[in-house]
Amino acid sequence: GAGVSQSPSNKVTEKGKDVELRCDPISGHTALYWYRQSLGQGLEFLIYFQGNSAPDKSGLPSDRFSAERTGGSVSTLTIQRTQQEDSAVYLCASSLGVRAGYEQYFGPGTRLTVT
Amino acid sequence: QKEVEQNSGPLSVPEGAIASLNCTYSDRGSQSFFWYRQYSGKSPELIMSIYSNGDKEDGRFTAQLNKASQYVSLLIRDSQPSDSATYLCAVIGSNYQLIWGAGTKLIIKP
Repeated sequence: GAGVSQSPSNKVTEKGKDVELRCDPISGHTALYWYRQSLGQGLEFLIYFQGNSAPDKSGLPSDRFSAERTGGSVSTLTIQRTQQEDSAVYLCASSLGVRAGYEQYFGPGTRLTVT
Repeated sequence: QKEVEQNSGPLSVPEGAIASLNCTYSDRGSQSFFWYRQYSGKSPELIMSIYSNGDKEDGRFTAQLNKASQYVSLLIRDSQPSDSATYLCAVIGSNYQLIWGAGTKLIIKP
């Protein structure tokens, strides 16, 4: 079946502009995660959604970052007033749930460059 | 602070040999353990999951879990140049949060 999809694959924006990144999870997966990965670095957790529960926003680096998930499926990560340090690959993953044993599957990522 | 530790490498292994990647974790209540492979410029790809003590084999890959010693390892037999990548260890802890290691870079030399 179809995997996790993300769009756009690349985004170049000017400092101070807002950007929206989209993630479409695997059908039937109730949990959705956003991560950030800077060049040569590990995965940085940002936020996750599980069904209709309130999202875990504990990883969001500042109030410029927000995310929503509509209808329990597609998610949008919004970065307001982008800064150069926001340049990274933004990865989305989905899983059947957040309990033990549920494997996460990743999309191809969105490479964000802030000039 | 719950942690997952990996040697950053690079780990250099000759083609055809066994590559051994190790990961330790701090949360004794951890329940699920995963190995992901990430090629440069690509997203992580799940290659193995393990939930109980012992070995789990899948083709050339074997995951080993020892909960008493709090380590999980990944063995790659008959290493190929295409196995060159960064290998990420991930652990679901007692609070169901997934904790990621920083990854070990593996280089298979022809």
